[in-house]
Amino acid sequence: DVKVTQSSRYLVKRTGEKVFLECVQDMDHENMFWYRQDPGLGLRLIYFSYDVKMKEKGDIPEGYSVSREKKERFSLILESASTNQTSMYLCASSSFGGGTANYGYTFGSGTRLTVV
Amino acid sequence: GENVEQHPSTLSVQEGDSAVIKCTYSDSASNYFPWYKQELGKRPQLIIDIRSNVGEKKDQRIAVTLNKTAKHFSLHITETQPEDSAVYFCAASIIQGAQKLVFGQGTRLTINP
Repeated sequence: DVKVTQSSRYLVKRTGEKVFLECVQDMDHENMFWYRQDPGLGLRLIYFSYDVKMKEKGDIPEGYSVSREKKERFSLILESASTNQTSMYLCASSSFGGGTANYGYTFGSGTRLTVV
Repeated sequence: GENVEQHPSTLSVQEGDSAVIKCTYSDSASNYFPWYKQELGKRPQLIIDIRSNVGEKKDQRIAVTLNKTAKHFSLHITETQPEDSAVYFCAASIIQGAQKLVFGQGTRLTINP
């Protein structure tokens, strides 16, 4: 019962390419997030969105952009891939609403991107 | 903004012993503190969480404690088993449009048989 799906598990791209990472959730969650995971640095927030067409910068947005045209889909875009963007990218979603907010994230399986 | 520090970065314990991982946070407005477990090659999974109006929470062999005054919280695993080997992440939540999580750096826990 996969609830957050990332389109690719492994990707290899060349420096300078435009890269799209896709994330789809089927839980009707309002919030979606993109993190990158690097050893010793934990999970660092790139961008997030709390509504369709809304986006907010996280802690490390440089070199990235995002798109959320539909509630279930949140795309991460590397405008011009560089080798320092080689990393594991994790998408997550969460719900916030009602009398008891559920803050827990559901993560996707991750996309390991290598830029050569 | 919020900053979360997690220690130790690696931890090795004998099977059956206890393991403790500690985190500190900087934003006193944070009100939700989850812990995630990530097994090798898998996605992070929520294992336990605690809200700021509670000091301790237990779920079988896992417990989390929170000291709001000192701004630190800890994960305690008792009677460790080989399947507890994983990377553990703590997080603290802040509200910025959405309730977003700021994660610690992670602790690689190894249980030695």
